Amino acid sequence: DVKVTQSSRYLVKRTGEKVFLECVQDMDHENMFWYRQDPGLGLRLIYFSYDVKMKEKGDIPEGYSVSREKKERFSLILESASTNQTSMYLCASSPPGAGGPLDTQYFGPGTRLTVL
Amino acid sequence: AQKITQTQPGMFVQEKEAVTLDCTYDTSDPSYGLFWYKQPSSGEMIFLIYQGSYDQQNATEGRYSLNFQKARKSANLVISASQLGDSAMYFCAMRVEGYGNNRLAFGKGNQVVVIP
Repeated sequence: DVKVTQSSRYLVKRTGEKVFLECVQDMDHENMFWYRQDPGLGLRLIYFSYDVKMKEKGDIPEGYSVSREKKERFSLILESASTNQTSMYLCASSPPGAGGPLDTQYFGPGTRLTVL
Repeated sequence: AQKITQTQPGMFVQEKEAVTLDCTYDTSDPSYGLFWYKQPSSGEMIFLIYQGSYDQQNATEGRYSLNFQKARKSANLVISASQLGDSAMYFCAMRVEGYGNNRLAFGKGNQVVVIP
């Protein structure tokens, strides 16, 4: 079974702190994704990565950066956390887009981040 | 840009009854894939079912089936014989084949509550 793990289920930080959210997958997937989920807004893509050291902006990259130094690990960084970044953060991974159901994204359990 | 629309308000369904969740999509690409995910209160996104744009048959997976109407650009999820464990948020998502990187566009979700 594909396993995607996230470093924390719940996290509380102060405004202005630097925050690291870690995601690790064990299926050697090329693609990894970071989303944030807010009530009524669904999942919005922050950043994704299709290879080590490669990254692309998603729909809402402002205020975030990412790092992918190893294939299995994709980190989301909030350089200076703000209260409007309080949200649920979901990480996902998937194989290359060859088409079909096997290319589904596999999600981690999520990190609920609160910024005070 | 690809767009997924899920507009139903929260739904209550009686245990053992069927429920249909609506999803419409918008794309000009002829080759695409449609996914449904379930998100229980625990937060993890669970892949349920996939429909490819060229698939001749509607997809089925156990109690889940897709009512795929290509001309109407709709891919409604049908859950038969609802169980209490089906209470969750349900998300429809689309991937455009050839887009690369397996990037998905998600709808805003449908809330389902199964009552005994």
